[in-house]
Amino acid sequence: SQQGEEDPQALSIQEGENATMNCSYKTSINNLQWYRQNSGRGLVHLILIRSNEREKHSGRLRVTLDTSKKSSSLLITASRAADTASYFCATDRGSTLGRLYFGRGTQLTVWP
Amino acid sequence: EAGVAQSPRYKIIEKRQSVAFWCNPISGHATLYWYQQILGQGPKLLIQFQNNGVVDDSQLPKDRFSAERLKGVDSTLKIQPAKLEDSAVYLCASSLASGSETQYFGPGTRLLVL
Repeated sequence: SQQGEEDPQALSIQEGENATMNCSYKTSINNLQWYRQNSGRGLVHLILIRSNEREKHSGRLRVTLDTSKKSSSLLITASRAADTASYFCATDRGSTLGRLYFGRGTQLTVWP
Repeated sequence: EAGVAQSPRYKIIEKRQSVAFWCNPISGHATLYWYQQILGQGPKLLIQFQNNGVVDDSQLPKDRFSAERLKGVDSTLKIQPAKLEDSAVYLCASSLASGSETQYFGPGTRLLVL
């Protein structure tokens, strides 16, 4: 079964705008990860945030985690057409074996 | 560093036929995963290997799906016989070890069952 639920399912913005995607999950976690998938391609790891962290940055990406609300958000600042892709959050459900549980994803379209 | 390789990239078969997918993980990665991604959904784990041993195959439909990782490197995933609902993208991923958080994905094999 899916673990994370991304919101919104689809997001359409203009280049230069910021894009915010949210993820909710149901169980305890060790960490939460965000991945990007371009159409017809595999997934690319973007960022990992551990359960004892509240915010993390990587370039134009900012991820927050609220374990009390079991939710995370991914912010992409100054978006570019090349950011057009599907974005997935994934959790480990507290396991240390490496298995990931993915949500359904948010389809982001950035118009030039 | 070469990424995860998968072949074929596309496959079209008729229901009840058999099909096999191949994956070559990143060199030195002990853990290998096979995921099924149905259109519009996120990937779902089918099986996880640590070297050549199975760590988790709880979501693998064992009546028709099988997978092996001989010598702890390459892996093959087989479906026999295929059903219409097996139409999906099959993704292979690898990581340094179980518990290593970052997984590296291959481009996937897109399967269409007619």
